[in-house]
Amino acid sequence: DGGITQSPKYLFRKEGQNVTLSCEQNLNHDAMYWYRQDPGQGLRLIYYSQIVNDFQKGDIAEGYSVSREKKESFPLTVTSAQKNPTAFYLCASSIYSGKANEQFFGPGTRLTVL
Amino acid sequence: QQPVQSPQAVILREGEDAVINCSSSKALYSVHWYRQKHGEAPVFLMILLKGGEQKGHEKISASFNEKKQQSSLYLTASQLSYSGTYFCGTERWLRGTSYGKLTFGQGTILTVHP
Repeated sequence: DGGITQSPKYLFRKEGQNVTLSCEQNLNHDAMYWYRQDPGQGLRLIYYSQIVNDFQKGDIAEGYSVSREKKESFPLTVTSAQKNPTAFYLCASSIYSGKANEQFFGPGTRLTVL
Repeated sequence: QQPVQSPQAVILREGEDAVINCSSSKALYSVHWYRQKHGEAPVFLMILLKGGEQKGHEKISASFNEKKQQSSLYLTASQLSYSGTYFCGTERWLRGTSYGKLTFGQGTILTVHP
């Protein structure tokens, strides 16, 4: 079945450590996105990528980094520079055709920094 | 700039109707609607594009007032399964094409009781 996988579902890290969240899709989508969701709030865009080896900062990119070396993979690194990293992280993908297309979301990773 | 959703919360009995609104202060290219159950990924419902094109579920209806930059999601004859948080995501009108960059509202919590 086609879809988006994120791993792990729950992640615990000590303050000051970098951590990488995985996102893989087999939908053959060009565009991929990372969002952060805090309790009771909407989704905020961290980074997005429309083609391999290219990505753009979203609204809250500070303290995060990404790479897009393969079409199907878009890992997110939460660095120690991110001041409040505890949140629910969602990865999404969509067709990129120059026309609005729906985004498909992965199941999310809940990161807790102790 | 984040779109504004109203109301913040709605409580219904099965079979009742509801309308959720989404307003932006910027010229929009498209409005996307998603529903999220607690702890799960958002699920796509509907896209409305500038110019009147729509795509989405048959049982969900929505409108997009381009003059006012407002969209409304209409939920009729509500079912228990409609419960969840509804988000609108807006895409700005820039150079006549889609870049896939969505800005989400803060969400509307819909609760349907038997």
